Amino acid sequence: AQTVTQSQPEMSVQEAETVTLSCTYDTSESDYYLFWYKQPPSRQMILVIRQEAYKQQNATENRFSVNFQKAAKSFSLKISDSQLGDAAMYFCAYRSAGMRSGGSNYKLTFGKGTLLTVNP
Amino acid sequence: GAGVSQSPRYKVAKRGQDVALRCDPISGHVSLFWYQQALGQGPEFLTYFQNEAQLDKSGLPSDRFFAERPEGSVSTLKIQRTQQEDSAVYLCASSARNYGYTFGSGTRLTVV
Repeated sequence: AQTVTQSQPEMSVQEAETVTLSCTYDTSESDYYLFWYKQPPSRQMILVIRQEAYKQQNATENRFSVNFQKAAKSFSLKISDSQLGDAAMYFCAYRSAGMRSGGSNYKLTFGKGTLLTVNP
Repeated sequence: GAGVSQSPRYKVAKRGQDVALRCDPISGHVSLFWYQQALGQGPEFLTYFQNEAQLDKSGLPSDRFFAERPEGSVSTLKIQRTQQEDSAVYLCASSARNYGYTFGSGTRLTVV
């Protein structure tokens, strides 16, 4: 079974600064997807960024980028020019990409999350 | 609708009471997932539907939990004889292509 570990329960950053959130995972699969989700107090999970394991290029979405190290099974999120609206819980998640019967590979496995505080 | 809608937003149940939580996915989304998120934890998978077929229920914690999606759209998660350990946020997500998920805002269940 796959596991996702987020070793930083809490992080803080000054507004306009850069912060990096860590995530490691364990899997025996070679093809999979990795995600970062943001969960504000409204509770809705919002997709921040997605990475396909077969792609060597790190994904980037505006101020958000990842450092994907497949051999090390590491998937960190960098937030540049942090804004007050970035404050939230951030979850790293894993999903298999292989097609297996039953569709169970489509489920997401989440880490425990990192609470990000942005200081003005 | 434009997003995944869940109701009620909050539910307080007395221990032993049965509850039903509703998820209205994005129209046309084939896949529907239920997750349970305990306080301070990440969401954990409960069950998965493809249209009306429940293809994976391996995450349901006990036989008190039951989910259905009879017409392949709206889904209901039912918990019988609620216990305190059932207190959590229950999240629903739907997907059209199984890698882009849209989550609802969840139902916070408190069992007293």
